Amino acid sequence: GAGVSQSPSNKVTEKGKDVELRCDPISGHTALYWYRQSLGQGLEFLIYFQGNSAPDKSGLPSDRFSAERTGGSVSTLTIQRTQQEDSAVYLCASSFSGSRANEQFFGPGTRLTVL
Amino acid sequence: QQPVQSPQAVILREGEDAVINCSSSKALYSVHWYRQKHGEAPVFLMILLKGGEQKGHDKISASFNEKKQQSSLYLTASQLSYSGTYFCGTEPGPLIYNQGGKLIFGQGTELSVKP
Repeated sequence: GAGVSQSPSNKVTEKGKDVELRCDPISGHTALYWYRQSLGQGLEFLIYFQGNSAPDKSGLPSDRFSAERTGGSVSTLTIQRTQQEDSAVYLCASSFSGSRANEQFFGPGTRLTVL
Repeated sequence: QQPVQSPQAVILREGEDAVINCSSSKALYSVHWYRQKHGEAPVFLMILLKGGEQKGHDKISASFNEKKQQSSLYLTASQLSYSGTYFCGTEPGPLIYNQGGKLIFGQGTELSVKP
C-alpha cells in the first residue's frame, strides 16, 4: 500500500494478557516510530527504529513494553501482562531517513482496550 | 519536556481567523505541525527548522521565534475542513543529541469550525 498500515485496528484484551501490535511502514522508509495517544491527550513517544536498530527506547513506559523491527520494514510492539492504564491508541509513523527535516507519516493506529 | 499549546480549544465560524501557539520552557530546535481529525491519523502540515523561519500554504502558515521559544500556527479565512486537533512537535535537544527525528508533542489544540 501507499501509506503506513497497522493491525489490528482494534484490540480488546483482558488484564494480564499479552498483545502484539503490528506496523507496516511506507516502503523505503528507514525510520520508524511508535507513539501512544491516550484519550484526549497528545502523542507520547515510545521508541524509534533506524533500520532494525532501536537507538532510542527512552519512551517505553516499563519493561512490559518491547518492540522489534525485522528486515528494515515491519515492526511489532509487544505489551506483556497488560494493565488497564495501557488502554490507548498506539500510532506508528515512518519517515524517509529519520532526518529532523523529514515529515513523519502516521498510520491509522491500533485502539487497545484492556478490560 | 513537553511543549505547551494554547489555546486548548477554539470554536470559529467559517471565514474567521485563528492562531495556535506552541511554547517551550527549553530551547526549541525545530517545530513540526500536524493536524488530526477525529478517529484518523495525524497529517503533516509543515516543519520549521530554524529561528525566524516562516512557512505557509493555502491559508495556513506558521512562524518560529527561536528567541521566544515559541511557534505559532495561523489559520486564515477558516474552512469547515480545518476542524480537527492541531499538534506541535519539537525536537528534545540539539541535533547532536537528537537521534533520528524524535519528536515531543504538545497536548493539542482542538479547533472546531462551524458554518
